[in-house]
Amino acid sequence: GEDVEQSLFLSVREGDSSVINCTYTDSSSTYLYWYKQEPGAGLQLLTYIFSNMDMKQDQRLTVLLNKKDKHLSLRIADTQTGDSAIYFCASDNAGNNRKLIWGLGTSLAVNP
Amino acid sequence: ETGVTQTPRHLVMGMTNKKSLKCEQHLGHNAMYWYKQSAKKPLELMFVYNFKEQTENNSVPSRFSPECPNSSHLFLHLHTLQPEDSALYLCASSQGTGGHQPQHFGDGTRLSIL
Repeated sequence: GEDVEQSLFLSVREGDSSVINCTYTDSSSTYLYWYKQEPGAGLQLLTYIFSNMDMKQDQRLTVLLNKKDKHLSLRIADTQTGDSAIYFCASDNAGNNRKLIWGLGTSLAVNP
Repeated sequence: ETGVTQTPRHLVMGMTNKKSLKCEQHLGHNAMYWYKQSAKKPLELMFVYNFKEQTENNSVPSRFSPECPNSSHLFLHLHTLQPEDSALYLCASSQGTGGHQPQHFGDGTRLSIL
């Protein structure tokens, strides 16, 4: 079946940029999503990108999509301690009614 | 504040108990979802409802019984659960189920089975 993979952990210093990477297998995915989960909370939609775009910027967040390599990244500029959370990448599965396929999540630790 | 509210936030129950999880969305959406989130596993889609009709049952054991009385409310009735059912149960809603329909999540119910 289709799959989404992410590295499990990332540690950065406050003020630095964070880059969270994701690879997916479904070449027919139309939308790719980034969600954030803080401790004790549900998933919060951060941003998404349409598959015909290479880049999308939204304030401190930049999403890059390399469709050829099926690689997605989320860059957080000027990372703050409040950005510490688990970040999930998800792709919509064209062959299965656009159900979302989820990665395991990347746990971002921001050190002061 | 989330537009999707789940209650209770925490639930501890024995294997022979019967309990229900409740989800309510205030976003005017037509689709609602139940997910199971377990450690070291991807988010598992359990059920999907669209306009109160169940459109997806992802091979979920019958000890989990969903109910969707209207587009704003979703329940998950639990009975005779197993220890491996301990997890965070997340409810989500979206405008519809086709094409680009971002899902909005509640904060979940943390379920522990003794």
